[in-house]
Amino acid sequence: GEDVEQSLFLSVREGDSSVINCTYTDSSSTYLYWYKQEPGAGLQLLTYIFSNMDMKQDQRLTVLLNKKDKHLSLRIADTQTGDSAIYFCAERGRTGANNLFFGTGTRLTVIP
Amino acid sequence: DTEVTQTPKHLVMGMTNKKSLKCEQHMGHRAMYWYKQKAKKPPELMFVYSYEKLSINESVPSRFSPECPNSSLLNLHLHALQPEDSALYLCASSPHSNEQFFGPGTRLTVL
Repeated sequence: GEDVEQSLFLSVREGDSSVINCTYTDSSSTYLYWYKQEPGAGLQLLTYIFSNMDMKQDQRLTVLLNKKDKHLSLRIADTQTGDSAIYFCAERGRTGANNLFFGTGTRLTVIP
Repeated sequence: DTEVTQTPKHLVMGMTNKKSLKCEQHMGHRAMYWYKQKAKKPPELMFVYSYEKLSINESVPSRFSPECPNSSLLNLHLHALQPEDSALYLCASSPHSNEQFFGPGTRLTVL
């Protein structure tokens, strides 16, 4: 089945850039997603990228996709304390069905 | 209305109780989902409804019973749950395959 991996923790200082990494195994994935989850809350869709793109930028967020290495990253510029949360990458199911397979999540801590 | 709502926010139930979780969206999305999220783990898909028909059941035990009475509502009926079923239950909806929008979740505790 799908296997999506992330490092568990990341700490950055306020104002620095954060880079959260994700590796996946399903080369047929068509869409890859980044979600943010704050404590006790649901998941907020931050951005997604189609597999024929290698970069997508949306305000402070930059997504980079390396299809050859099956590596996805999320860069947050000028990280703020409000960015502290768990970040999940996810890939859409191989069969094209509407199911998402989530990574293990990276807990981002922003130090004031 | 641009959000997915879920009720109740918290639920505590005994193993012999019957309860239901409710999810609602008025964005015209035709696909709706139930996910289960244990503490410190990623969400795991349980069910997918597409155009009000069950399209995916990820081998979920029968003590969880989904229902989609109309295109805006999704229920999850719970009966004879076990303590290990305690988790955050997340509902999501999508207008098409590309994006899923999640509700805030129901935190379920089974005693």
